[in-house]
Amino acid sequence: SQQGEEDPQALSIQEGENATMNCSYKTSINNLQWYRQNSGRGLVHLILIRSNEREKHSGRLRVTLDTSKKSSSLLITASRAADTASYFCATDPPGKSTFGDGTTLTVKP
Amino acid sequence: DGGITQSPKYLFRKEGQNVTLSCEQNLNHDAMYWYRQDPGQGLRLIYYSQIVNDFQKGDIAEGYSVSREKKESFPLTVTSAQKNPTAFYLCASSKGGSYGYTFGSGTRLTIV
Repeated sequence: SQQGEEDPQALSIQEGENATMNCSYKTSINNLQWYRQNSGRGLVHLILIRSNEREKHSGRLRVTLDTSKKSSSLLITASRAADTASYFCATDPPGKSTFGDGTTLTVKP
Repeated sequence: DGGITQSPKYLFRKEGQNVTLSCEQNLNHDAMYWYRQDPGQGLRLIYYSQIVNDFQKGDIAEGYSVSREKKESFPLTVTSAQKNPTAFYLCASSKGGSYGYTFGSGTRLTIV
């Protein structure tokens, strides 16, 4: 199965700063998704980017996709303490992809 | 409101006992999935089902069993054959294709 690998493993920033995390994958995809997981909770779907898209925005989130490098990045602008969570990427098709260990983001007030 | 419900939130069982985790969705999604998450790690796929009465093994199916008798329900049984069952279990559903997942809030299973 295809695995998304997130990088860095951990990221610590001050409130108001931007946070960037990356995802790499191995085979061709139709889409890539980013999820957030607060401690002890389920994952929440943040954004989906299709293989024919290069960039997508949703509120303070910006996702880019580079299919030639098989990588994606998630940028969270003007971070808040409430953004503290683990972030995961996943590729399609569901059931054929697994999740990496995630990036743990800590936003200090 | 549509969603996916996992129960119970916490579950304690003695070693050697089988235990069944519940997952119900009212999103009318065809596909459902079970993942296992160990502390500080990612999700590993146990089983998935793309249609009623059909399911496939994921990467770590040994020691687990599932059924999919109804579209809404996808229970997971952790059997005594699973050597290290203490973990956080997440159920998810999907419309399929390119729609991503909707996750439940998880069940934390502890074997005592």
